[in-house]
Amino acid sequence: KAGVTQTPRYLIKTRGQQVTLSCSPISGHRSVSWYQQTPGQGLQFLFEYFSETQRNKGNFPGRFSGRQFSNSRSEMNVSTLELGDSALYLCASSLGLGAEAFFGQGTRLTVV
Amino acid sequence: QQQVKQSPQSLIVQKGGISIINCAYENTAFDYFPWYQQFPGKGPALLIAIRPDVSEKKEGRFTISFNKSAKQFSLHIMDSQPGDSATYFCAASPLGQFYFGTGTSLTVIP
Repeated sequence: KAGVTQTPRYLIKTRGQQVTLSCSPISGHRSVSWYQQTPGQGLQFLFEYFSETQRNKGNFPGRFSGRQFSNSRSEMNVSTLELGDSALYLCASSLGLGAEAFFGQGTRLTVV
Repeated sequence: QQQVKQSPQSLIVQKGGISIINCAYENTAFDYFPWYQQFPGKGPALLIAIRPDVSEKKEGRFTISFNKSAKQFSLHIMDSQPGDSATYFCAASPLGQFYFGTGTSLTVIP
């Protein structure tokens, strides 16, 4: 059974640009969550989608958005990139509320 | 405000020793407590998890102890091995959204 797949693995973007990250969950998992990991702030929750609906949202500015498709794949978009957005972005999938969550390898975003 | 407090920040243990990492939480709505292991350049990997209806769960060398009244839980790694050297995160979930501790960097010395 394939794990959670995130693409791309690495990205370098310039301030002001926008970026889209992709996450393919484990087959059968309908919940996808996104987290930002930085050395200073640790793992912080961005948002969670279930069956194409955003159920939870963390405390991030509106520049961070996401969506989920009917096949449960999810994308995260960050617009008007800032240097502080440099981080490892992690996606986790699960069967649903209260179920085990499994993380992908992450996308390392560097904003220059 | 840190919803889950984790200690210590770093830990050095001799091979064969016991590694103990502690976490505390305040929100009584939390009902699922996983531990994740993360190696450099990798995503966190689920290690073991517990729900508040049990006080202890053991899987191989890894044990979670859970104290509901004290709102604390801990990870014990028995017979620690150099391959266990990684960063460990505790987490708590009230349904779908995970709050993570700040992580513990474990180094097991051969």
